[in-house]
Amino acid sequence: DAGVIQSPRHEVTEMGQEVTLRCKPISGHDYLFWYRQTMMRGLELLIYFNNNVPIDDSGMPEDRFSAKMPNASFSTLKIQPSEPRDSAVYFCASSLEVLDRDSPLHFGNGTRLTVT
Amino acid sequence: SQQGEEDPQALSIQEGENATMNCSYKTSINNLQWYRQNSGRGLVHLILIRSNEREKHSGRLRVTLDTSKKSSSLLITASRAADTASYFCATIARGSNYKLTFGKGTLLTVNP
Repeated sequence: DAGVIQSPRHEVTEMGQEVTLRCKPISGHDYLFWYRQTMMRGLELLIYFNNNVPIDDSGMPEDRFSAKMPNASFSTLKIQPSEPRDSAVYFCASSLEVLDRDSPLHFGNGTRLTVT
Repeated sequence: SQQGEEDPQALSIQEGENATMNCSYKTSINNLQWYRQNSGRGLVHLILIRSNEREKHSGRLRVTLDTSKKSSSLLITASRAADTASYFCATIARGSNYKLTFGKGTLLTVNP
């Protein structure tokens, strides 16, 4: 089991540029989550999917952020245009079942985004 | 907004000592989870305790849950330098659409 795979590991871009973060969940996991981690705000849930369908995107900061899951093995988080305040570590996580049934989250190692 | 808050924010101990971290939360929950994060890595699930459980063990980890006080504690016994990491509690508030929210964590440093 390769675990949750995220790419790239690091991304440095200039303000105004488009950024795309990628995630491959663990095979067979029905749930996929995108989190953002900063020192000030900690871990924030941005959006999560069940069977490739977005269930709750209330954590997405604004319209500059969008997420897709075209199939069970791939998801993207896009920021367009990027701003310096988007600088953070973005994590993707997956789980086998709905969390309330005691299924833990499995995290990738994150993408550290720096917007200058 | 954070559902759980860990205490202390940072803890430094010597190898072999026990480490205790606390978590308080605000609303009714179905379960509470603890995760560890090593520097530069993703979070790793450690242990889950259900709302109808009071204590749970896993190796050197012991977790307690007091739903009347809305609090939990994580005890790591006989700590090792490799236990150095940030530790987070996470909960799903009832009615929150299964969203797992994390506290800001306790940074544990175990000195050899």
